[in-house]
Amino acid sequence: NAGVTQTPKFQVLKTGQSMTLQCAQDMNHEYMSWYRQDPGMGLRLIHYSVGAGITDQGEVPNGYNVSRSTTEDFPLRLLSAAPSQTSVYFCASSYPWGPQHFGDGTRLSIL
Amino acid sequence: GQQVMQIPQYQHVQEGEDFTTYCNSSTTLSNIQWYKQRPGGHPVFLIQLVKSGEVKKQKRLTFQFGEAKKNSSLHITATQTTDVGTYFCAGEGDSNYQLIWGAGTKLIIKP
Repeated sequence: NAGVTQTPKFQVLKTGQSMTLQCAQDMNHEYMSWYRQDPGMGLRLIHYSVGAGITDQGEVPNGYNVSRSTTEDFPLRLLSAAPSQTSVYFCASSYPWGPQHFGDGTRLSIL
Repeated sequence: GQQVMQIPQYQHVQEGEDFTTYCNSSTTLSNIQWYKQRPGGHPVFLIQLVKSGEVKKQKRLTFQFGEAKKNSSLHITATQTTDVGTYFCAGEGDSNYQLIWGAGTKLIIKP
């Protein structure tokens, strides 16, 4: 059972480049979320989804887009990378009001 | 907006000493969850508290949810080196699906 799978694990981008962070879960969870975690900090919610076709903004959505065309996949798009977006990105999934299951994270550096 | 404050930010203990971290919410929570994150890892779910005044135990870990459902604590008895990591609380409000995360308490075991 894979759980939540994030790719890539590491990525280096140049300022202005765009990219998509992939997240897939095989637990049939309705809820999925994207967080960023900066060094020594807690988790900040970027975007979340309560089901296929439904997404909403979290605390820090600017510079990011998401879509949820299937229950399994929830990709996060960086539109034009900026150094301030250097962070570790975690994807999580859960049943409604249940515990969140996290992927291993993507460590992203923007030069 | 809703905030969850977590203290202390760091706690240094000798192995065998006790450890406690506290969370306080600005609003009433429907439930609170606790997670542990090892260095370089992802958050891992520990427990969820739902009822007012609830107390749950997992071996040396004791979790409490306040009577007003606005505060919570995690207490570890007789810490071991395997307890090292950062402990996060995350509260869920009544109105929508958004977990609000505390900043975490980093447990450091002194050699």
